[in-house]
Amino acid sequence: QSALTQPPSASGTPGQRISFSCSGAHSNIGTYSVNWFQHLPGTAPKLLIYGLNQRPSGVPDRFSGSKSGTSASLAISGLQSGDEADYYCASWDDSLSGWVFGGGTKLTVL
Amino acid sequence: QVQLVQSGAEVKKAGASVRVSCKASGYMFTSYDVSWVRQAPGQGLEWMGWISAYNGSTNYAQKFQGRVTMTTDTSTTTAHMELRSLTSDDTAVYYCARARTIFGVVAYMNVWGEGTTVIVSS
Repeated sequence: QSALTQPPSASGTPGQRISFSCSGAHSNIGTYSVNWFQHLPGTAPKLLIYGLNQRPSGVPDRFSGSKSGTSASLAISGLQSGDEADYYCASWDDSLSGWVFGGGTKLTVL
Repeated sequence: QVQLVQSGAEVKKAGASVRVSCKASGYMFTSYDVSWVRQAPGQGLEWMGWISAYNGSTNYAQKFQGRVTMTTDTSTTTAHMELRSLTSDDTAVYYCARARTIFGVVAYMNVWGEGTTVIVSS
């Protein structure tokens, strides 16, 4: 059972805007910033969002993050077939004194 | 360019230990920390801990305390992760990642290695 809860799957069509949720607690999302990663199994995870909705260089502005209380969201606009991947949220957790990942959401582009 | 290059795949017997290496290049090694993350087959990502490349201090996830040791070698800009007393549950892809920690809290992990497959057989 992950400390952060994500829906296991999501789907969308090309050009659509889609968002993923990540639910946590005061000890993690409620206190610390959330990272979002894009991951294709067998490849290196890619950081998409960190800090206060910051994107590393090279990550298009189609990707954006937000946080409210103990929940966070990742939005992708202008969905593309190349966005098909697993998406993970992650944050520091005071109760565990460690970093926690959500269970991941598998995105299918129809 | 900034990159982390990991050592090759390993096959180990249950009860053995495995050591995975992560060679950093393209940045000041001691200015960042290194986190280790694994992914078991069909499972999500799991954080194992981090080590400061500056002073060698560590913070291991509770699940791995007593069984994992993370080290760095600044002369070769390489980080190592050793996991002992392996079981089949340790079969996974192991990733190293460049991390920024602030007062001991991991803020982000922005560069990742390509992963090292570790298979544990009984």
